[in-house]
Amino acid sequence: GEDVEQSLFLSVREGDSSVINCTYTDSSSTYLYWYKQEPGAGLQLLTYIFSNMDMKQDQRLTVLLNKKDKHLSLRIADTQTGDSAIYFCAEVRPRGYQKVTFGTGTKLQVIP
Amino acid sequence: NAGVMQNPRHLVRRRGQEARLRCSPVKGHSHVYWYRQLPEEGLKFMVYLQKENIIDESGMPKERFSAEFPKEGPSILRIQQVVRGDSAAYFCASSPAGANEKLFFGSGTQLSVL
Repeated sequence: GEDVEQSLFLSVREGDSSVINCTYTDSSSTYLYWYKQEPGAGLQLLTYIFSNMDMKQDQRLTVLLNKKDKHLSLRIADTQTGDSAIYFCAEVRPRGYQKVTFGTGTKLQVIP
Repeated sequence: NAGVMQNPRHLVRRRGQEARLRCSPVKGHSHVYWYRQLPEEGLKFMVYLQKENIIDESGMPKERFSAEFPKEGPSILRIQQVVRGDSAAYFCASSPAGANEKLFFGSGTQLSVL
């Protein structure tokens, strides 16, 4: 199908790790992004991974990519209350331009 | 170093009125994208424009919606004869050029139709 899928909700305790999963659709996608949306705000690009990589680490964030299964995950180490937000994965489908298709978003709730 | 500017932040319209949403891209960016976020849903692609050209409008409803990105001035998303179902957050994004550039998003316009 055309939809990029994510689970809707995740709740973790402060200090634990969070893992947000995403299944994308197009095996020819060139980039995969993770965006963060705080309440009432726009989208902030957190990190991205090229499709020829299988892992990327950026401070507390680790992105894992399984191209065979078209599965992407975002791990947030030592989750803080400020990490509470909606997280969107997005794939860049090569259509001659930057056609970005977003997932449904995962709402992360961090419990103090 | 201004990012993508959208205005207004909040727009209230009665059914049947027109809504005009404005987006000023990052300085130097020539590509603009509009997305719509319905309550409790993800972002849905609407339209992609370059200066004076619509490149992809496959996500735009066939009626009442139009978009432009003139040579001078901001990009405008126009919704005529709004209905309650148009209530949503409308996000604009811009990129400099090319197929592999990251998108920069504005803070969105929240449209409420009474």
